[in-house]
Amino acid sequence: GAGVSQSPSNKVTEKGKDVELRCDPISGHTALYWYRQRLGQGLEFLIYFQGNSAPDKSGLPSDRFSAERTGESVSTLTIQRTQQEDSAVYLCASSFRAGLAINNEQFFGPGTRLTVL
Amino acid sequence: KQEVTQIPAALSVPEGENLVLNCSFTDSAIYNLQWFRQDPGKGLTSLLLIQSSQREQTSGRLNASLDKSSGRSTLYIAASQPGDSATYLCAVKSNYQLIWGAGTKLIIKP
Repeated sequence: GAGVSQSPSNKVTEKGKDVELRCDPISGHTALYWYRQRLGQGLEFLIYFQGNSAPDKSGLPSDRFSAERTGESVSTLTIQRTQQEDSAVYLCASSFRAGLAINNEQFFGPGTRLTVL
Repeated sequence: KQEVTQIPAALSVPEGENLVLNCSFTDSAIYNLQWFRQDPGKGLTSLLLIQSSQREQTSGRLNASLDKSSGRSTLYIAASQPGDSATYLCAVKSNYQLIWGAGTKLIIKP
């Protein structure tokens, strides 16, 4: 597609339920990133993929969070047993590749606003 | 650990004024620095990207400077317009990650 897309745009769920957030990166981009932005705060890095592998999962807040990517394309971020503190905007970005290439600009999707009641 | 700070957190100015947004970072070992714009309900729009070897970048009414040694960047907006109202975020690239400031919420009053 022309840009990074994310679905759903908004998700309201009850505490304790599981949610899945989807990201479709720009076609041809091998690197994909997930960030979280809590109200009034900057973005927090969660995880990134190079291809279908996730070399760094250190940003995931807890073991309730997981992510996968298939076909070097779509990625899904899953939050199990959601808590109120999980409420945030979850942003996805993609770039041509990850690593030390200094020109690897990241392009962002519109985000998914998650509200846990 | 890299930390990015943006000052002020919020700024309100009359239309037509020139203004400066500030971004500081603690570790000068960066690959690049980017300024983004974030509008409510929308994604992030990249405004300017300054490589570590560069001192400034310009795009239209926007000019971003980078002083790696002092760990500072500024975003200069000339002749501000109501359409410039948004939250402006700066991010520094360390390895594959972008490390973000909390943003400056800018309001331009008509």
